[in-house]
Amino acid sequence: QQQVKQSPQSLIVQKGGISIINCAYENTAFDYFPWYQQFPGKGPALLIAIRPDVSEKKEGRFTISFNKSAKQFSLHIMDSQPGDSATYFCAATQSYNTDKLIFGTGTRLQVFP
Amino acid sequence: NAGVMQNPRHLVRRRGQEARLRCSPMKGHSHVYWYRQLPEEGLKFMVYLQKENIIDESGMPKERFSAEFPKEGPSILRIQQVVRGDSAAYFCASSPPRTLTNTEAFFGQGTRLTVV
Repeated sequence: QQQVKQSPQSLIVQKGGISIINCAYENTAFDYFPWYQQFPGKGPALLIAIRPDVSEKKEGRFTISFNKSAKQFSLHIMDSQPGDSATYFCAATQSYNTDKLIFGTGTRLQVFP
Repeated sequence: NAGVMQNPRHLVRRRGQEARLRCSPMKGHSHVYWYRQLPEEGLKFMVYLQKENIIDESGMPKERFSAEFPKEGPSILRIQQVVRGDSAAYFCASSPPRTLTNTEAFFGQGTRLTVV
């Protein structure tokens, strides 16, 4: 019940296209859902996050869509750029508990010019 | 404001040796988390500490692994008698005292441990 399932494992997108990464969770006590971006040899960096009281959050080219009833959330990267090529992790946590993040298994995104 | 500092960046140990990984949280942050990332996998939570207290160690292996966050100085993740399976990237994250809206954790660049 503590798992967060992420798909796809890898994604290849043409420059200017839309990248979509999906995650699903079981634990209804999760109340904070961040997405992290990780470049090779670096630590994860927070990209965007959402709480379940909203269904969508947009920051620049990045949008999280959240479906509370389906227990699913997704990251959309609009106008994908080669610089977006990285591994993306979704995560979930119970922010009123210990704040430990439960991570998905990651999606390796490659954006080709 | 320096980010989360981890050292060393790379650590090579022979089987049976001890590994000590250090993490200095961001200024003003009193919460420290350790995560382990195996090759081609996501990050797995290991332990959550506040100054001088272990809050949640549910992800720590029962043997050989320990963590501390003393009143002064960095947090230390200690692995005794390392085995090949301990080879991984170990990431530290820190966050400020929890508020109702602030849950962001900032990650360091990690320590890549290789056991030979």
